Amino acid sequence: NAGVTQTPKFQVLKTGQSMTLQCAQDMNHEYMSWYRQDPGMGLRLIHYSVGAGITDQGEVPNGYNVSRSTTEDFPLRLLSAAPSQTSVYFCASSYGQGPRSPLHFGNGTRLTVT
Amino acid sequence: DAKTTQPPSMDCAEGRAANLPCNHSTISGNEYVYWYRQIHSQGPQYIIHGLKNNETNEMASLIITEDRKSSTLILPHATLRDTAVYYCIVRVATGNQFYFGTGTSLTVIP
Repeated sequence: NAGVTQTPKFQVLKTGQSMTLQCAQDMNHEYMSWYRQDPGMGLRLIHYSVGAGITDQGEVPNGYNVSRSTTEDFPLRLLSAAPSQTSVYFCASSYGQGPRSPLHFGNGTRLTVT
Repeated sequence: DAKTTQPPSMDCAEGRAANLPCNHSTISGNEYVYWYRQIHSQGPQYIIHGLKNNETNEMASLIITEDRKSSTLILPHATLRDTAVYYCIVRVATGNQFYFGTGTSLTVIP
């Protein structure tokens, strides 16, 4: 059971480039989300999805797009990368929406935008 | 969303109990308290959660005060591998969002 898998582990982009961070889970979890982690800031919610075809914004959604075409996958797209998007990105999933469902995290993608 | 307040750092001697406090004075009656930890730069790891009763699992114990305005995570016998940043989170009852703060950096000292 792989859990939550994020690819790539590391990525360097130039300003203005686009890319997609991949996230896949094999636990049949309905809920998936993306966080970014910056030094001294903790984790901040970017976007989340409560099921295939449904997405919504979190705390810091600007500059990011998401879609959820399948239960398993929840890619995060940067349309035009900016240095302010240099961060560590974590994908997480949980079985349901209720408070009894802990989040399971991937091991992150470390993105540098130059 | 309810906010939490944690001390930025703590030390604990190896083999002793580590008691990590958290204040969540604006918590609503149906919101749960969750604890996660993050070792180095790995993804956060779930530890335990509770509503109003004390909880215990193989990793830790969670003590929630009667008024639910604060809680304490207890690692009964801390080891060097418990050195990590510990996050106390209040789960938004109407959705599935987890809002993380900056956590407590716990250092277990040999």
